[in-house]
Amino acid sequence: DTGVSQDPRHKITKRGQNVTFRCDPISEHNRLYWYRQTLGQGPEFLTYFQNEAQLEKSRLLSDRFSAERPKGSFSTLEIQRTEQGDSAMYLCASSLAQQGGTDTQYFGPGTRLTVL
Amino acid sequence: AQSVTQLDSHVSVSEGTPVLLRCNYSSSYSPSLFWYVQHPNKGLQLLLKYTSAATLVKGINGFEAEFKKSETSFHLTKPSAHMSDAAEYFCVVSEAGGSYIPTFGRGTSLIVHP
Repeated sequence: DTGVSQDPRHKITKRGQNVTFRCDPISEHNRLYWYRQTLGQGPEFLTYFQNEAQLEKSRLLSDRFSAERPKGSFSTLEIQRTEQGDSAMYLCASSLAQQGGTDTQYFGPGTRLTVL
Repeated sequence: AQSVTQLDSHVSVSEGTPVLLRCNYSSSYSPSLFWYVQHPNKGLQLLLKYTSAATLVKGINGFEAEFKKSETSFHLTKPSAHMSDAAEYFCVVSEAGGSYIPTFGRGTSLIVHP
């Protein structure tokens, strides 16, 4: 299967610790997105890359969050000094850039973060 | 600016009856519109998308949606619900000419009774 994969699937951490998540997109996709989803809500955009360039960051993304996509392949999302409010499902999606915002995004299974 | 409103947080139907999940959108540009489904403990899956071609869009598993510009709506329908359709459904808007960042609705939970 060559879908989007995310690792780990679950992470439990203590408040104040740093965590890092990995996303491996579909290999030919040049766009990669990170979202956060909390219970009862739709996915909320965090940031996206086109190839290795980070093109957009949500204003909701605090300085404790950082994302990278070295060489335009896999991506990592790091959260420093985690807080209980960071507990959520973190979703990764990838797409092949299309004109006019018509990209179809393919989602990974997500990483569920629990901050104690 | 773009936004999307899913008008019902929960929809309950009996198996074999029609499904209607309502979505209204707002967009400053020509929108692309999508419906995604999320089954418990599964990733989001694309059901269908509208990209300024035919206004009636057919998707997977018998779902379809109609783009109505005058009503700024993109409602999702299915003639006959199956138990396996029980899931969370998200309407999504993305703007051509905008930043291409999709905006998701809050979701509609579809409950299917036997």
